[in-house]
Amino acid sequence: EAGVTQSPTHLIKTRGQQATLRCSPISGHTSVYWYQQALGLGLQFLLWYDEGEERNRGNFPPRFSGRQFPNYSSELNVNALELEDSALYLCASSLRVSEAFFGQGTRLTVV
Amino acid sequence: GNSVTQMEGPVTLSEEAFLTINCTYTATGYPSLFWYVQYPGEGLQLLLKATKADDKGSNKGFEATYRKETTSFHLEKGSVQVSDSAVYFCALSTPAGKLIFGQGTELSVKP
Repeated sequence: EAGVTQSPTHLIKTRGQQATLRCSPISGHTSVYWYQQALGLGLQFLLWYDEGEERNRGNFPPRFSGRQFPNYSSELNVNALELEDSALYLCASSLRVSEAFFGQGTRLTVV
Repeated sequence: GNSVTQMEGPVTLSEEAFLTINCTYTATGYPSLFWYVQYPGEGLQLLLKATKADDKGSNKGFEATYRKETTSFHLEKGSVQVSDSAVYFCALSTPAGKLIFGQGTELSVKP
């Protein structure tokens, strides 16, 4: 069974550009979570989607947005990139109330 | 609200020492509790879980018991190895499915 897959693995953008990160959940999982992990810091909750709807978002500005598609895959969009957006972005999927499984992450570097 | 608090790291131990990483939580309802591990350069992996009070999760020599009376889920291992060096995250899943992480505790095991 395929795990959670994220693409791309690495992404380099310049300040002010937009970045799009993608996540494919484990087959049958309906929830997708997005987290930001900056160097030396813990996991900062970004977004939670379940059954195609945004259920909750963390304390991030509106330029962080996303969506979940009918097949439960998800996109995270970051507009007007800033240097401090450089981080590892982790996606996880789960069946509600069960454990979450993580992808390997997308390393976003803003220069 | 719901939150998870872990002991601050880094924790440095010698090989074969006893490990305890404290985790306490606040939650409405009855959450499921998890420990995740992140090895250097990798994503998060589920280490163990407990879904109700007094449950004990265990895996790879690690154990944690869901203590409702003290709202705790401390991680323990009797004899750590160098290969256990990683960042450990405590997490809870609310009955509604929201997944919340602690800030992570870095463990370094020296030979």
